[in-house]
Amino acid sequence: DAGVTQSPTHLIKTRGQQVTLRCSPKSGHDTVSWYQQALGQGPQFIFQYYEEEERQRGNFPDRFSGHQFPNYSSELNVNALLLGDSALYLCASSAISGFVVTDTQYFGPGTRLTVL
Amino acid sequence: EDKVVQSPLSLVVHEGDTVTLNCSYEVTNFRSLLWYKQEKKAPTFLFMLTSSGIEKKSGRLSSILDKKELFSILNITATQTGDSAVYLCAVSAGANSKLTFGKGITLSVRP
Repeated sequence: DAGVTQSPTHLIKTRGQQVTLRCSPKSGHDTVSWYQQALGQGPQFIFQYYEEEERQRGNFPDRFSGHQFPNYSSELNVNALLLGDSALYLCASSAISGFVVTDTQYFGPGTRLTVL
Repeated sequence: EDKVVQSPLSLVVHEGDTVTLNCSYEVTNFRSLLWYKQEKKAPTFLFMLTSSGIEKKSGRLSSILDKKELFSILNITATQTGDSAVYLCAVSAGANSKLTFGKGITLSVRP
């Protein structure tokens, strides 16, 4: 049973550039959430996708956008990169049960983004 | 704003010791509290707690939730060097189960 996968593993960009990160959820899961984890901090919720729509969003600027595809995989896009966007970006998947997202989220290995 | 506070932030123990990790929270529309272990990158799921006073146990790890006092503890007995990791506490809230994390507790187990 494949777990959550993310690509790429590492990425180095310069300020002002744009980046796209990818995530495939665990088999049987249809909901994808994205988190940003700065060094020494806990993950912070960016947004969640279900049925190709953004269901909820955390306190992140519009430079952060996402997409979910019909096969439930997802992309996170960040425009106009800032030095402060350097972090580990984690994707987590979960399932919907009776119109409610189940609580247990399973995480992928993350993408380490460095902005120079 | 939802808030999760973990303590202590770091801990160094010797193999065989027992440790207790703390997590307190203030959230709206609480659903559950989750513990994760993060060694390199991906947080791995340990426990999900929804009811007060019911201990969840897995091997040397156990956890309990107090919904009246709004906290949880994670106990690890007979620690091993492989227990060295960051332990994250998260609270799930609202219909979309948005997770709010604490900063994590860095546990180092010395041989």
